[in-house]
Formats: sequence, structure tokens, C-alpha cells
Amino acid sequence: GENVEQHPSTLSVQEGDSAVIKCTYSDSASNYFPWYKQELGKRPQLIIDIRSNVGEKKDQRIAVTLNKTAKHFSLHITETQPEDSAVYFCAASLDNYGQNFVFGPGTRLSVLP
Amino acid sequence: SQTIHQWPATLVQPVGSPLSLECTVEGTSNPNLYWYRQAAGRGLQLLFYSVGIGQISSEVPQNLSASRPQDRQFILSSKKLLLSDSGFYLCAWSSAGEAFFGQGTRLTVV
Repeated sequence: GENVEQHPSTLSVQEGDSAVIKCTYSDSASNYFPWYKQELGKRPQLIIDIRSNVGEKKDQRIAVTLNKTAKHFSLHITETQPEDSAVYFCAASLDNYGQNFVFGPGTRLSVLP
Repeated sequence: SQTIHQWPATLVQPVGSPLSLECTVEGTSNPNLYWYRQAAGRGLQLLFYSVGIGQISSEVPQNLSASRPQDRQFILSSKKLLLSDSGFYLCAWSSAGEAFFGQGTRLTVV
């Protein structure tokens, strides 16, 4: 089955700096890679996703890159703000009916003012 | 639009008592449904997933069970809670790959 690793487990950056979180996956058949942000005590919410036919996707200060050959994908947050502080989860799944998600263990991001 | 409802939001139960958490989805049919558990400060552990009525797959052996009596209803149960069952339980549904989470239930077993 699929296995997703995520690094680092914790990350502290100064406000305005960039943050990068990296994930690797094991199943080469996985073709959908979402990122979730979970604020303290709340549900995870999708912030950006990428499918295997795309190498990079950007949405304002957030971008995700995918390297299918190396089986890794990364989340990039630029110009970080205190409200970016949260736990971020990557996931990998087969974009087919009946397939479940495998989440990474999460990264706790702290943006210091 | 699709919405997912999960209740209760918080629950305190004594050891040995039963558990029933309910999750319903609106605005979609035949969704994939999931139950996850999140221990304090930890990641998301998949407990059960279901691709249809009465079809349940268990990911880890445990003290919990799940049922899907209706297409858009997913129930997490236990006959006798253990202290180790404490955690944050999240229901989710997915379609075309994307997953959406319920608000979560914070369960404390005392």
C-alpha cells in the first residue's frame, strides 16, 4: 500500500520568510496530492492540490510542486504571516472511486512575528 | 453544494461505556466515507472507510467498529470505551479524489 513521509515535523520561520514542507510517497500509481491546513482544534481544510499531469500549481502565496519520477511533492509558502501557523498535512491518493487517502504525519508550522 | 455534518462536537465518556458518533453527508450520492482519529499533537490515522452501504474496510485492529446503514450516513461505535480511545475523531467524504472533513468530535474517556 501507499506510504507517505513528511518533513520536517516542526518548522519555525520569521514572518515574511518562506516555508517549505516536503513529502515523499511510495506508490507510483498515486496521482492526486492534496495539502491540508489544520488550525488548532479545527478540522483539516484543503488549501491546494495537484494532480499528476501537472508539475507545479500556484495560488497566491502558496505553491505546490510535484516530481513524479522521484515521487516527491512540496508545499511552498512565501511571505509567511502569523495566520499561516498551523499543522499542515500532505496526502496521496489514487484518483479513482473507492481509493482512500494516505496522509503524511503532519508538519507544525510556527510563524514568529 | 455538499456539506458534511458530524456530531457531537465534544463528548466525555467513562471507561467501559458505549460510543456512537454519527456523520451525514448532504448534496452528493454514493460518496466514499472515512473515519479518522487524531491523537493530541499527532497525525491522521485512518480507522475505517466505506465505498457503499454496508461496505466497511478496517485499517487497524481496535476497539471500534463502523457501520453505514444509509448511503450518506456513517457511524462509529464502540461497545466498551478504553482510555486509549480518547482523541479527536474526524469524519470525511471524498469524490474525484478530494476529501472534505467534518468538524470533528473531541472524545475524552475518563
